[in-house]
Amino acid sequence: DAGVIQSPRHEVTEMGQEVTLRCKPISGHNSLFWYRQTMMRGLELLIYFNNNVPIDDSGMPEDRFSAKMPNASFSTLKIQPSEPRDSAVYFCASSTSPRFEAFFGQGTRLTVV
Amino acid sequence: DQQVKQNSPSLSVQEGRISILNCDYTNSMFDYFLWYKKYPAEGPTFLISISSIKDKNEDGRFTVFLNKSAKHLSLHIVPSQPGDSAVYFCAASGGNKLVFGAGTILRVKS
Repeated sequence: DAGVIQSPRHEVTEMGQEVTLRCKPISGHNSLFWYRQTMMRGLELLIYFNNNVPIDDSGMPEDRFSAKMPNASFSTLKIQPSEPRDSAVYFCASSTSPRFEAFFGQGTRLTVV
Repeated sequence: DQQVKQNSPSLSVQEGRISILNCDYTNSMFDYFLWYKKYPAEGPTFLISISSIKDKNEDGRFTVFLNKSAKHLSLHIVPSQPGDSAVYFCAASGGNKLVFGAGTILRVKS
């Protein structure tokens, strides 16, 4: 298995534009997490899916953020409209259970100018 | 409300010596704890874990200690090597969450 695959690796966009980050979890993993890494807060959990269903989205910062998991092999995190303070590295991770080790993708570095 | 705290942003250690990374948590529901290691431009990778029914878990040069009464865990690396230089994240699991600390940058000097 190639591991968790995220795309794009880098995204530079202008303020106000829509941004979509994509994630393909490891096959067979039924838990999927979206995290955001910043210098100040480290790795923040944004949202967690189990069996394609959003279980906890309390970490999603604002209504501008939305996430979907239409099937077991794909998830998206969308920011609309984007703002400069959204600039960060966004990680997707998957696991067989929310209790145990999660495997991370390489992340998407988002820059909003 | 940071449920998992790593109060040391950075740590510098001489090669061959012990590195001790600390982590505190506040939520008593957490019952499984993990350490991750992260190199620049890569995603975090799992390093070692411990269940709340144990107080120590060892894997080669890496040992994690858990003090439940103090809600504190630590990661010991002995001996430290230059390749261990990375960001180390502490994480805690309970219910439906896997919550991470802010990370500690470890620099091992040769």
